[in-house]
Amino acid sequence: KAGVTQTPRYLIKTRGQQVTLSCSPISGHRSVSWYQQTPGQGLQFLFEYFSETQRNKGNFPGRFSGRQFSNSRSEMNVSTLELGDSALYLCASSLTGGSDGYTFGSGTRLTVV
Amino acid sequence: GQQLNQSPQSMFIQEGEDVSMNCTSSSIFNTWLWYKQDPGEGPVLLIALYKAGELTSNGRLTAQFGITRKDSFLNISASIPSDVGIYFCAGRDTGTASKLTFGTGTRLQVTL
Repeated sequence: KAGVTQTPRYLIKTRGQQVTLSCSPISGHRSVSWYQQTPGQGLQFLFEYFSETQRNKGNFPGRFSGRQFSNSRSEMNVSTLELGDSALYLCASSLTGGSDGYTFGSGTRLTVV
Repeated sequence: GQQLNQSPQSMFIQEGEDVSMNCTSSSIFNTWLWYKQDPGEGPVLLIALYKAGELTSNGRLTAQFGITRKDSFLNISASIPSDVGIYFCAGRDTGTASKLTFGTGTRLQVTL
């Protein structure tokens, strides 16, 4: 079965711009989580969506937002980009987001210049 | 943000050797997960542990859920070149079950 698909794979944006990243979970999975990975902070939880509702949120500023559609596809948006937002953004899908495991996509590499 | 303490930070070993790495937390977790990440890819789940004291194997990999629920260990036996990568532990508690807290990672390099 198809895995978790993230688009685009690479993105270069300028400071002050905004960006939207997309994640298509494994078919049937209803939970989608987003993580930011940087060399300095490692993997940090951004937020999780389940059945179109944000269920959990990490410690990131309000510039980071997301949403989930009825087909479980999710998008995350970062507004007013800063240089420090340069990172690998990973999406993980899970059947329920509970005790089952998480499958990660290959990520979107965002570079802010 | 919070990260779990993982050691060693990096390892350089010869093919055929056994490898051990561990992860510690100041908080209790109800689930421990071990992931491997290759360059340019997302983490891939290796082993999941759900019960304190649990010992689980997946091929040459063995992981244990510490009885204090604050630590976990991963062992790789008879390492091979394709074991190269970064290994992450991750903990999950029931309060925020959908959130994983990751370790700082162990970079493994294997020579022939």
